[in-house]
Amino acid sequence: EDQVTQSPEALRLQEGESSSLNCSYTVSGLRGLFWYRQDPGKGPEFLFTLYSAGEEKEKERLKATLTKKESFLHITAPKPEDSATYLCAVQAREYGNKLVFGAGTILRVKS
Amino acid sequence: KAGVTQTPRYLIKTRGQQVTLSCSPISGHRSVSWYQQTPGQGLQFLFEYFSETQRNKGNFPGRFSGRQFSNSRSEMNVSTLELGDSALYLCASSLGGMEQFFGPGTRLTVL
Repeated sequence: EDQVTQSPEALRLQEGESSSLNCSYTVSGLRGLFWYRQDPGKGPEFLFTLYSAGEEKEKERLKATLTKKESFLHITAPKPEDSATYLCAVQAREYGNKLVFGAGTILRVKS
Repeated sequence: KAGVTQTPRYLIKTRGQQVTLSCSPISGHRSVSWYQQTPGQGLQFLFEYFSETQRNKGNFPGRFSGRQFSNSRSEMNVSTLELGDSALYLCASSLGGMEQFFGPGTRLTVL
């Protein structure tokens, strides 16, 4: 069965303190790996899609990378507005467009 | 470009009742997926519709059903509500299914 595990469950950073979130996955035939950001009471906001090992994507202070077993979301010099829950999800070729989500990492950035 | 809209945003029902939730996808998107989000189970896939046909279904009981109209708008219905159905119900739209964009969700509370 497809599985997605995110770590840590929660992360507290000081403003400017860079760090990484991890998403490890077990899926047969990866079609794509997705990162989303979710603020309290809102729907997930799409950040990145990664399709194959070695791929990297960047957006402002965020950079996502992918290997054959895991993905990292690197946050460089975070600001308080980066505080949110970050969700990782995978799509397997066998299951079409269904997204299988991890439990998420709750990020808090203090000024 | 308008995003995904969901109505209503909040709903309170009692056990045994039924409920219908509505989702309007991003203009031009033909794929609509539904997810249930709870604190204990996280985000779980309910079903996906494309061109008025259900393409995929998650592991939920038959009380959960959906449909899609010719304008790509979608509805999901939950019959005989149970306390455990209290959740945030999220709709996501996509062009072909890869990158899915979520709406704000409908918060359902079952008393």
